Amino acid sequence: GESVGLHLPTLSVQEGDNSIINCAYSNSASDYFIWYKQESGKGPQFIIDIRSNMDKRQGQRVTVLLNKTVKHLSLQIAATQPGDSAVYFCAETYGNNRLAFGKGNQVVVIP
Amino acid sequence: GAVVSQHPSWVICKSGTSVKIECRSLDFQATTMFWYRQFPKQSLMLMATSNEGSKATYEQGVEKDKFLINHASLTLSTLTVTSAHPEDSSFYICSASSGHGRYTFGSGTRLTVV
Repeated sequence: GESVGLHLPTLSVQEGDNSIINCAYSNSASDYFIWYKQESGKGPQFIIDIRSNMDKRQGQRVTVLLNKTVKHLSLQIAATQPGDSAVYFCAETYGNNRLAFGKGNQVVVIP
Repeated sequence: GAVVSQHPSWVICKSGTSVKIECRSLDFQATTMFWYRQFPKQSLMLMATSNEGSKATYEQGVEKDKFLINHASLTLSTLTVTSAHPEDSSFYICSASSGHGRYTFGSGTRLTVV
C-alpha cells in the first residue's frame, strides 16, 4: 500500500505484480516529461519520456500515461522485479530547458 | 553513449574550506549543464543552469557567491562550494544536456562538512 508522511510515499509491490506510480505536475505549459529512477546514493537514471502531443508511450516493461487535462502523469511497470526497487521521480521541462522534479515515490519490491 | 562523470563521489571537508565538484560529459558536447542539490528523502532541487562560456543562471534563493559555477568548455562544468558549513552537507548532482531533449545525470557527490 501507500503511506505519506515525513518520508517519501512508498509503494510496496509483490514481485511479478504490476506497479503504478503517479505524479501531478504543476505547469500547464510544460511540453516534455520524463520519468527517472534513482537508486540510493546514485544519480537519476532515465526510464522513459513523453511529449505533450501524446497521451501514452510504451517502453520495455514500462508505460507512461499523460493526462494534460488534470496535469497528471503515471508510470506503469509490468512484472515488477527486485531490481525495480528505487525512488521514482517524474520531471517536467520549463523555461530554458530546465528540468523540475516531482516529489518522488519509493517503490519496494517484496520477493 | 551519453555518459556524465562526476567527481568526487564523496568528500568530507572542514567548516570554512571550499570544495570543488567536477562534472564531465565524456562522449558528447554539453551545451547546458545543470546543478542540483538533494537532501535525504527529498527531491532534486535545481540550483543553477550553466551554458558554456557564459555566466550561470541561479535559481531563486541560491547564493551565487556561495556556489560558484564555471562552465569553461563544452565537456566540463565545476561547482565550488565556498566557505562550506555543516548546513551545506548534501548530495550534489550534475546533469548535462546536448540540447536535444536528453538530460544525462552524473552519479552525484556526497558532501559532508564537519
